[in-house]
Amino acid sequence: SAVISQKPSRDICQRGTSLTIQCQVDSQVTMMFWYRQQPGQSLTLIATANQGSEATYESGFVIDKFPISRPNLTFSTLTVSNMSPEDSSIYLCSARGGGGTGELFFGEGSRLTVL
Amino acid sequence: AQRVTQPEKLLSVFKGAPVELKCNYSYSGSPELFWYVQYSRQRLQLLLRHISRESIKGFTADLNKGETSFHLKKPFAQEEDSAMYYCALNQGAQKLVFGQGTRLTINP
Repeated sequence: SAVISQKPSRDICQRGTSLTIQCQVDSQVTMMFWYRQQPGQSLTLIATANQGSEATYESGFVIDKFPISRPNLTFSTLTVSNMSPEDSSIYLCSARGGGGTGELFFGEGSRLTVL
Repeated sequence: AQRVTQPEKLLSVFKGAPVELKCNYSYSGSPELFWYVQYSRQRLQLLLRHISRESIKGFTADLNKGETSFHLKKPFAQEEDSAMYYCALNQGAQKLVFGQGTRLTINP
């Protein structure tokens, strides 16, 4: 299994500012992902965080708005840039476990409120 | 387009009654489906996957390719089953697309 820690767990941000969310996994994992869960909605994949290279973004998400880093196999960051109230969401880090199980593990999420 | 549909946002049953949470999918290839669960104040976690064909906490789910469904079932609901349940489809490269979720409430 993999235990994922995210911080901050929650924050209140001002419009136009940027915030970086950190994700730490307690073991080396092959794949890391970032999801967004808007209020009352399901989880939507933002991007796959690739170790040592640019993230792979899903349709509707761009690097300028959601820059992602993954310097090693256990750590990733997601920045939400130039925030607006529409960015108020829970942002979830997830990682694929090893051992062939393919299970996706999730962090507890970072709840952002943009005023 | 790859899509997962959970038609019920809310489902409420009495303790001891059977439970069925519906999930339908749209996928052109051979699907890999999962059920994830989020208990109150806990993180999202895997409940079961169709490949393993196992029963977890009394829950089972059978993949029906003809009906493109992957409904989650339990014959006798327990109060601790109250949670948010998400059906998810692996759309390739381990990227999951999630349904809208069903909030299950078990009444005593």
